[in-house]
Amino acid sequence: AAGVIQSPRHLIKEKRETATLKCYPIPRHDTVYWYQQGPGQDPQFLISFYEKMQSDKGSIPDRFSAQQFSDYHSELNMSSLELGDSALYFCASSSSLTGGNEKLFFGSGTQLSVL
Amino acid sequence: GENVEQHPSTLSVQEGDSAVIKCTYSDSASNYFPWYKQELGKRPQLIIDIRSNVGEKKDQRIAVTLNKTAKHFSLHITETQPEDSAVYFCAARPPGYSSASKIIFGSGTRLSIRP
Repeated sequence: AAGVIQSPRHLIKEKRETATLKCYPIPRHDTVYWYQQGPGQDPQFLISFYEKMQSDKGSIPDRFSAQQFSDYHSELNMSSLELGDSALYFCASSSSLTGGNEKLFFGSGTQLSVL
Repeated sequence: GENVEQHPSTLSVQEGDSAVIKCTYSDSASNYFPWYKQELGKRPQLIIDIRSNVGEKKDQRIAVTLNKTAKHFSLHITETQPEDSAVYFCAARPPGYSSASKIIFGSGTRLSIRP
């Protein structure tokens, strides 16, 4: 079965640079979520989209933005990167048609290292 | 808002023994409680979930119990195997929300199975 696909798997950037992370949700899933996970931490919700519209916002810094495109893929744009942005970034998707839109299916994550 | 506390933070058990991880939540009206397993460097994966109208749910070697009065729920793994070694996250979702964006994660339990 198709899973959530994220790219790239690893990304190394320097301070003040920008980064773009991509996510392709499971086909026919209508909700996409972005999470940030620091070492030894639980996943922190950043932002979500339902049917290409922003549906909820969590602890996403103003330097970050995200959008969902017509093909349902989503991108997380991160600017003015700081050392503290180094983390594992997960995308997840869910379907409002099955499981009450509450079962999260995570991608493999993007490991971002800011030097 | 909802707050989820998870104990213990680390747990080591002998292979074949049982493991129990406990979580408490603060919002008595929370109605959905999933458990995610995250192996080292991998994505979180939903392993079992329970709704507030059910007291216990079992799936092979794993089971979850919910005590609404005490506002706590537990994950039980029997006959532990080396592949059970991972970080386990409990979570709770407050009422009134249909998507997973409001799910609050616990801080995680690192389970190690000793051979």
